[in-house]
Amino acid sequence: AQSVAQPEDQVNVAEGNPLTVKCTYSVSGNPYLFWYVQYPNRGLQFLLKYITGDNLVKGSYGFEAEFNKSQTSFHLKKPSALVSDSALYFCAVRDGSRGDSNYQLIWGAGTKLIIKP
Amino acid sequence: DSGVTQTPKHLITATGQRVTLRCSPRSGDLSVYWYQQSLDQGLQFLIQYYNGEERAKGNILERFSAQQFPDLHSELNLSSLELGDSALYFCASSDRDRSPNYGYTFGSGTRLTVV
Repeated sequence: AQSVAQPEDQVNVAEGNPLTVKCTYSVSGNPYLFWYVQYPNRGLQFLLKYITGDNLVKGSYGFEAEFNKSQTSFHLKKPSALVSDSALYFCAVRDGSRGDSNYQLIWGAGTKLIIKP
Repeated sequence: DSGVTQTPKHLITATGQRVTLRCSPRSGDLSVYWYQQSLDQGLQFLIQYYNGEERAKGNILERFSAQQFPDLHSELNLSSLELGDSALYFCASSDRDRSPNYGYTFGSGTRLTVV
């Protein structure tokens, strides 16, 4: 069965420090991995994705994520956090070997990121 | 603007009532997904439609139903509302054939408050 785990409900980081939001996954085929961000009272916005190629993926707002196949992880990172990065972050995965109309993303529970000035 | 339109943005209604939430997907997207998000909670998948047909069902209550119309817009009907149904309801769309490497495009949600 496909699954996504975000082991931390909340991550607290001081502004200017590096941040990491963790995500591990389980799929039977090729993982397509995504990160989305949700600001208060807003819909989810796409941040970045890994489909194939370089393990380090760069996305919006200076975020990047590293795909690690052996550890089945896709952690979200940023070298220097901003207060405006405070939001709810969701990791998602789909099985890339399935190409049918039941295409679905499997979502993690979300991690609240709090950046303190 | 994500291209996915949800109406209304806010809805306040009394217990026992019925409401209809509407979603217009991004132009050309065939799949529509409905999610429920309670306060500070994760996303609960409710139901998926693909080109007018139901394709997957999640944790959707029997009091809830949905449909997708020929023009691809979708409606989520919530009936016999309870206080616990108060939540943000999101619609998302995607199209495997057009953008298989991309995830979903989300609407801004409908905030339902049951009083």
